[in-house]
Amino acid sequence: KQEVTQIPAALSVPEGENLVLNCSFTDSAIYNLQWFRQDPGKGLTSLLLIQSSQREQTSGRLNASLDKSSGRSTLYIAASQPGDSATYLCAVRRSGGGADGLTFGKGTHLIIQP
Amino acid sequence: DGGITQSPKYLFRKEGQNVTLSCEQNLNHDAMYWYRQDPGQGLRLIYYSQIVNDFQKGDIAEGYSVSREKKESFPLTVTSAQKNPTAFYLCASSLSGSRYNEQFFGPGTRLTVL
Repeated sequence: KQEVTQIPAALSVPEGENLVLNCSFTDSAIYNLQWFRQDPGKGLTSLLLIQSSQREQTSGRLNASLDKSSGRSTLYIAASQPGDSATYLCAVRRSGGGADGLTFGKGTHLIIQP
Repeated sequence: DGGITQSPKYLFRKEGQNVTLSCEQNLNHDAMYWYRQDPGQGLRLIYYSQIVNDFQKGDIAEGYSVSREKKESFPLTVTSAQKNPTAFYLCASSLSGSRYNEQFFGPGTRLTVL
């Protein structure tokens, strides 16, 4: 059974710092990995999608990497801003014959201090 | 604007009642999904549908039912058989049932059982 773990569970940093969020998964047989942002009481906003054949994806100040063989992904946020404060979720798309859908980690709650 | 809408935003239910959560999308996506989010836990897959008139159970389907009579609509019914229905429910869609596709999420419905 696929399990996704996100470390740290919470992170608080001053504005302007670069930071890294970590995601690990137990089964390397995945189709892709998605990073999401969730604001309190809101739905999920898709940030980046990395296919299993790719190593990284970039969007603005965000860069996500994927090492499928070791079961790890990182989300790098450059020059953090207070507006980046949110919960960041990592999810993998299952492969194999089981149910379709994403398997999620519990998230990293990020606070950027002004 | 294209997107996913969920209604209502908040829903209160008495024990023993069935309730139906609405999910509509105008993205012309074939596949739709329902997830449940509980505090401190990752999202979990309830049901999914890859095409009209077809749907499959996810990881926690007991106590829930769905229908997919129209491409743009995928309502979820929470029945009285669901033992702990209080949660945040999120609907998602993707272009097709291919596991390479990105998933996009709606704003969610918060269900509280009184």
